[in-house]
Amino acid sequence: SQTIHQWPATLVQPVGSPLSLECTVEGTSNPNLYWYRQAAGRGLQLLFYSVGIGQISSEVPQNLSASRPQDRQFILSSKKLLLSDSGFYLCAWSVGTGFDQPQHFGDGTRLSIL
Amino acid sequence: QKEVEQNSGPLSVPEGAIASLNCTYSDRGSQSFFWYRQYSGKSPELIMSIYSNGDKEDGRFTAQLNKASQYVSLLIRDSQPSDSATYLCAVIPGSARQLTFGSGTQLTVLP
Repeated sequence: SQTIHQWPATLVQPVGSPLSLECTVEGTSNPNLYWYRQAAGRGLQLLFYSVGIGQISSEVPQNLSASRPQDRQFILSSKKLLLSDSGFYLCAWSVGTGFDQPQHFGDGTRLSIL
Repeated sequence: QKEVEQNSGPLSVPEGAIASLNCTYSDRGSQSFFWYRQYSGKSPELIMSIYSNGDKEDGRFTAQLNKASQYVSLLIRDSQPSDSATYLCAVIPGSARQLTFGSGTQLTVLP
């Protein structure tokens, strides 16, 4: 069965520091991968998605970036964090090329910026 | 107009009652519809998928889809306190290839 790992679970970072969040999927090949952010009491905001190695689509312009160095690895990064980057970051995966399949989420990373 | 709209609630029902959660969407070409449950502080968990008009039942959960009226609903029968969570409606619009989430409805089941 497929599993998704996301780490760290919580992170406290000062403003202006860099960020690297990692997500890996097991038990499937060539998954579609996604990064979402959920601000406190708010809905899910899609940040990036990827349909393959090195293929990244950005949904919202911001100071974040994403990379997919391996088939089942997805990384969210920032060079300099802002206070507004605080939130709950979720990685998700799906399969298929028609995008009609549901997405499955990791446990998330709760990021607090001080 | 938001692409996917849900009543934010909170919705409170007594234990054992039927909870009814509703969702409307704007893109008439949408084909895929999902319900997720999100406990406080946790990640969303898929509970139902529905693609065709009508009802789809899974245990105590029933998803209902009406494409002509552009709404999808989730019924929870015999509600339990453990059902207390935020329920997210998600749609893949016909004009896009990504899931679009509603803002969620907070459900509280009172013992």
